[in-house]
Amino acid sequence: GDSVTQMEGPVTLSEEAFLTINCTYTATGYPSLFWYVQYPGEGLQLLLKATKADDKGSNKGFEATYRKETTSFHLEKGSVQVSDSAVYFCALTQGGSEKLVFGKGMKLTVNP
Amino acid sequence: EPEVTQTPSHQVTQMGQEVILRCVPISNHLYFYWYRQILGQKVEFLVSFYNNEISEKSEIFDDQFSVERPDGSNFTLKIRSTKLEDSAMYFCASSEEYNQPQHFGDGTRLSIL
Repeated sequence: GDSVTQMEGPVTLSEEAFLTINCTYTATGYPSLFWYVQYPGEGLQLLLKATKADDKGSNKGFEATYRKETTSFHLEKGSVQVSDSAVYFCALTQGGSEKLVFGKGMKLTVNP
Repeated sequence: EPEVTQTPSHQVTQMGQEVILRCVPISNHLYFYWYRQILGQKVEFLVSFYNNEISEKSEIFDDQFSVERPDGSNFTLKIRSTKLEDSAMYFCASSEEYNQPQHFGDGTRLSIL
């Protein structure tokens, strides 16, 4: 079945460091891809999405590009802030289904 | 900004007891979902619900589980006879239309003793 594999962490960075969180997927068709973020004590929030190959999703300084050839959707941010400390989840949906398939999540801590 | 609310935030129940987890989706949303996350594992899809019926369910969602939208605002997940392995964080989500972003609640932590 469809699956998502992502870096698990935890990862600790200093403020203004560059962030990359790797995400790869296995899917039979052409999935839509998502990054969700969970801040401490809160639910999952959609951070960005891409629905077809070569699409780039972006939000709050984060970016991810849908790479069909490498089945990847890596999340990047050029300069992280303390407020970016959270758990980040990569996920997909497959055509004809609303079911989100999640990766395991990666906890990021950013220190001042 | 409208949000999905879940109650209670933490539920402790004896094994074998019935439990009902409650969710109030965003008011104009038409699609509703339950997911769960066992500690240390992935967030897993349980069920989706549209137009007063289940539209999709996972293998996890067996006869012990049921969902209901009893009054047009609440969306509930019932577990009939809880087992130790039902201990998890349960997330409710809703979306406005098909193929639109799902908005999640803060979750209910269910602990089975």
